[in-house]
Amino acid sequence: DGGITQSPKYLFRKEGQNVTLSCEQNLNHDAMYWYRQDPGQGLRLIYYSQIVNDFQKGDIAEGYSVSREKKESFPLTVTSAQKNPTAFYLCASSIELVSGELFFGEGSRLTVL
Amino acid sequence: KQEVTQIPAALSVPEGENLVLNCSFTDSAIYNLQWFRQDPGKGLTSLLLIQSSQREQTSGRLNASLDKSSGRSTLYIAASQPGDSATYLCAVHHFGNEKLTFGTGTRLTIIP
Repeated sequence: DGGITQSPKYLFRKEGQNVTLSCEQNLNHDAMYWYRQDPGQGLRLIYYSQIVNDFQKGDIAEGYSVSREKKESFPLTVTSAQKNPTAFYLCASSIELVSGELFFGEGSRLTVL
Repeated sequence: KQEVTQIPAALSVPEGENLVLNCSFTDSAIYNLQWFRQDPGKGLTSLLLIQSSQREQTSGRLNASLDKSSGRSTLYIAASQPGDSATYLCAVHHFGNEKLTFGTGTRLTIIP
């Protein structure tokens, strides 16, 4: 089945450690996105990529990094510089950046101990 | 700056009733508007996408309408079922902005 796969589903991290969240899609979509969701807040955009080897900062990029070496993959690294990393992270993709329908993965919940 | 509002934040209705969820946005220059549902601890599932040139879209028991001039969209759910219980979010894609703007959602509970 076509879709977006995020892993791991749950992740625990000690303060000061970097962690990488995986996002893979087999929908042949050009655009991919990372969002963060906190209780009581709307989704906030971290990074997005329109095409391979290109990505742009979203509204809350500080403390995060991404790469887009393959069309199917858009991993997110949460670095030790992120002050409040405990959150639910959602990866999404669309056939094109503008006007495309957005599809989401099942999410990854990161908890910093 | 585009702002998207969903009121009420929570809604409870008895099973079998028809209901309407609301989404308001401040700037009518949009590409499209998308409705999603989210179950607890899960990702978002796309329900309906309405392009700016369209007035409504239908999928099964769901019907979404778009009125750009008034900055409003509604999601109509017919004959509600307990399985419809979830949080419903709308998101707007605004001209001149590569990013979607999301509302904070309406948490819907269908009472058996």
